[in-house]
Amino acid sequence: KAGVTQTPRYLIKTRGQQVTLSCSPISGHRSVSWYQQTPGQGLQFLFEYFSETQRNKGNFPGRFSGRQFSNSRSEMNVSTLELGDSALYLCASQVGASPPGYGYTFGSGTRLTVV
Amino acid sequence: AQSVTQPDIHITVSEGASLELRCNYSYGATPYLFWYVQSPGQGLQLLLKYFSGDTLVQGIKGFEAEFKRSQSSFNLRKPSVHWSDAAEYFCAVGANSGNTPLVFGKGTRLSVIA
Repeated sequence: KAGVTQTPRYLIKTRGQQVTLSCSPISGHRSVSWYQQTPGQGLQFLFEYFSETQRNKGNFPGRFSGRQFSNSRSEMNVSTLELGDSALYLCASQVGASPPGYGYTFGSGTRLTVV
Repeated sequence: AQSVTQPDIHITVSEGASLELRCNYSYGATPYLFWYVQSPGQGLQLLLKYFSGDTLVQGIKGFEAEFKRSQSSFNLRKPSVHWSDAAEYFCAVGANSGNTPLVFGKGTRLSVIA
């Protein structure tokens, strides 16, 4: 079966712009989590969605937002981009809600570069 | 809150040699523990996980890990490393209930030399 699909794979944006990243989970998976990966901070949790509801949110500014649609696809949005937002953004899906990570499958990520 | 420490940032081993990657965690109850591998520019692939039961866990690609509660450790081992094992390895800890997200270590980069 198809894996977790993240689009686009690469993105270059200018400071101050906004960006939307997409994650399509494995068919039948209803939980989607997002992580930001940087060389300095490692993997940091952004948010988790289950059945269109945000169940958990990490310690990121309000510029970072997300949503999940009825087909379980999820998007995350970053407004007013800063250089420090340059990172690999990973999403992971699993069948059920908890516990998080119990059955994660990760996508290949979206590499965002802010210039 | 849980936390994970991977003391080794970078390890170099010879092909065919044994490997042990260290992971120490902090969590108040019985944790869920994971090892993931990441190749350059790729997402994370699950190698193995521990939830309960036998403390020696077998995973894919010939990897195994041992949960030692007394040492709060979950070290990853492989008896004979192949060049294709060169990658970054992440240990993660999760809660066994609720909706607390996984917490990852900073990773250990493995280089394999001939």
